[in-house]
Amino acid sequence: GQSLEQPSEVTAVEGAIVQINCTYQTSGFYGLSWYQQHDGGAPTFLSYNGLDGLEETGRFSSFLSRSDSYGYLLLQELQMKDSASYFCAVRGRAAGNKLTFGGGTRVLVKP
Amino acid sequence: NAGVTQTPKFRVLKTGQSMTLLCAQDMNHEYMYWYRQDPGMGLRLIHYSVGEGTTAKGEVPDGYNVSRLKKQNFLLGLESAAPSQTSVYFCASSLPRKHRLDEKLFFGSGTQLSVL
Repeated sequence: GQSLEQPSEVTAVEGAIVQINCTYQTSGFYGLSWYQQHDGGAPTFLSYNGLDGLEETGRFSSFLSRSDSYGYLLLQELQMKDSASYFCAVRGRAAGNKLTFGGGTRVLVKP
Repeated sequence: NAGVTQTPKFRVLKTGQSMTLLCAQDMNHEYMYWYRQDPGMGLRLIHYSVGEGTTAKGEVPDGYNVSRLKKQNFLLGLESAAPSQTSVYFCASSLPRKHRLDEKLFFGSGTQLSVL
């Protein structure tokens, strides 16, 4: 099957940088995605990495190393509105090409 | 353009009752999914569909059934609800995986279901 590990919680102050790591196990890896979910809200897509390297979207960047089965989401210039849960998700042949989500990292931004 | 719409938003059932959750999308997406989310856990795939008239089992399908009679609708049924099915249910849709942007899932706002 597929499995993912990410930290359960991270706390940081406004303006800081937070890195959320995600390690995964799968076979026939296709790519790693990141989703944001505010309390009581729906998950929303942030980024996707299919190849090694860094993808940047505004204040958020996502990185993938296929050889290390590892990726991270980098949140820069943290704002209060970034307080949310962040999920990594992997797609691989091990789960019939279906997306498997990690347990989520709760990010708390303090003033 | 509403995106993905789920109804109802909240529901309370007694053990053994049945119900159907409705998901509708107006983006002409081929793929649709039903996930459940439990406290402190990620999303787990219940069932999914890659096109009208087709459905397939996901990670946790037991106790649920689905139907995709129309491309825009995906129904999730609970025939005999159990307390273990208390959860938040999310519907999602996406395009077929022909492009990296097709990795993007669009989620509905969720249904909070409590089974007493």
